[in-house]
Order: sequence, then structure tokens, then C-alpha cells
Amino acid sequence: AQSVTQLDSHVSVSEGTPVLLRCNYSSSYSPSLFWYVQHPNKGLQLLLKYTSAATLVKGINGFEAEFKKSETSFHLTKPSAHMSDAAEYFCVLPAGGTSYGKLTFGQGTILTVHP
Amino acid sequence: ETGVTQSPTHLIKTRGQQVTLRCSSQSGHNTVSWYQQALGQGPQFIFQYYREEENGRGNFPPRFSGLQFPNYSSELNVNALELDDSALYLCASSFLARGNTEAFFGQGTRLTVV
Repeated sequence: AQSVTQLDSHVSVSEGTPVLLRCNYSSSYSPSLFWYVQHPNKGLQLLLKYTSAATLVKGINGFEAEFKKSETSFHLTKPSAHMSDAAEYFCVLPAGGTSYGKLTFGQGTILTVHP
Repeated sequence: ETGVTQSPTHLIKTRGQQVTLRCSSQSGHNTVSWYQQALGQGPQFIFQYYREEENGRGNFPPRFSGLQFPNYSSELNVNALELDDSALYLCASSFLARGNTEAFFGQGTRLTVV
């Protein structure tokens, strides 16, 4: 069985400081991995995706993530937080084969950004 | 805007009742998936439909059922509602093809069972 674990349920940063949201995965094959963001009262939005090409993936709004197979990690980072980054973030493992679109979500990390 | 719309946005039902939630997929998409997101949790996969056939199911009982129509819109039906069914229900549409797993989500239906 495959799974993702988000290591922090809440992360709090000050505006202008770096953001680090941590995700570890477990998969019997070399996976694809996504990060999604969920703003209050809005749908889930894809931030970035790793699909076995470059291990450093750049996404929208200045976010990036690095796939590290040796550490089974896919941590999300941003050099400088903005107030609009406050939201809940999900690390996601998509199934392959005939289950395209079946996604396994982590528990989520709520990011709070202080002025 | 993802082009995926869900209705209604909010719903209150009584335990034991039945409910139908609706989803209109993004144009050109042939696959729809449904997820349940309980408060404080990540979304959990309920099932997926591809070309009107169920194409995978998560760990949910048979009282959760679905339909996909020829225009690729979809319904999620839940019978014999329980208090624990209270959650945000998310619909996601995608185009099933090798190498493409991106799903586009609607804003969800908030179901409260009392």
C-alpha cells in the first residue's frame, strides 16, 4: 500500500521568512507526487507535480519541492512567505495503472502567516 | 476557476435520509472522482467513474454509490445517512490518459447530518 505522511499539522511563519512543509511518502514503485493547496471556501488547486523528470520541481506562486528518493521525501518550500500563502497544503500520491485520478492525500498542513 | 461545478454548496440532512450530490465535469474530461473530506482530515477517495463505469473504489460501504452520465456529469448518492457522513464532498474531473494524472477539483458540497 502506498501512503503519504505530512510531518506537521500546523506551521506558523512571519511574512517574508522561508516556508518549509514536510512530506514523506511510502510507495512500492517510483512514484509521482503532487502538492495541492486549499484556501478557505475554495477548491483544491494544484501547486506543483513531480513525474520522474527533474527532481527539483517549480510550481506556482514561487513554491518549489525537491524529490529525494533516498529520504523518501518531497518537502515543499518557498523562500519568502506572503500573507496570501495562508492556506492548507496537501501532499498527494497519485495511483498509476488504471487508476489515474485516484489520489492519496496526506493529512494536511495548515500554514499561518503572521504580519 | 477549474470549470468543475458542484451543487448544492451546502446541505443539511437528517440521519437515515438519502442524499444526492451533483458534479459537472470540466469540458473534455472523461473521468470523475469523488472524495470525502472530514473536518481536519485530508480528502479520502470514494470512487472513480470512467466512461460511465466504476473504475476503482476506496474503503466506503455500498450505501455510497454513484453515476456518470453520457455528458460526463456525475452524481454521488448516499443512503441511510449517518452522523459520521458529515463532511465536505469533493468532485474531481480529469482526462484519463497515460502520463496525465492531473485532476481538477470543484469547490465541494458541505453535508451536515443531524
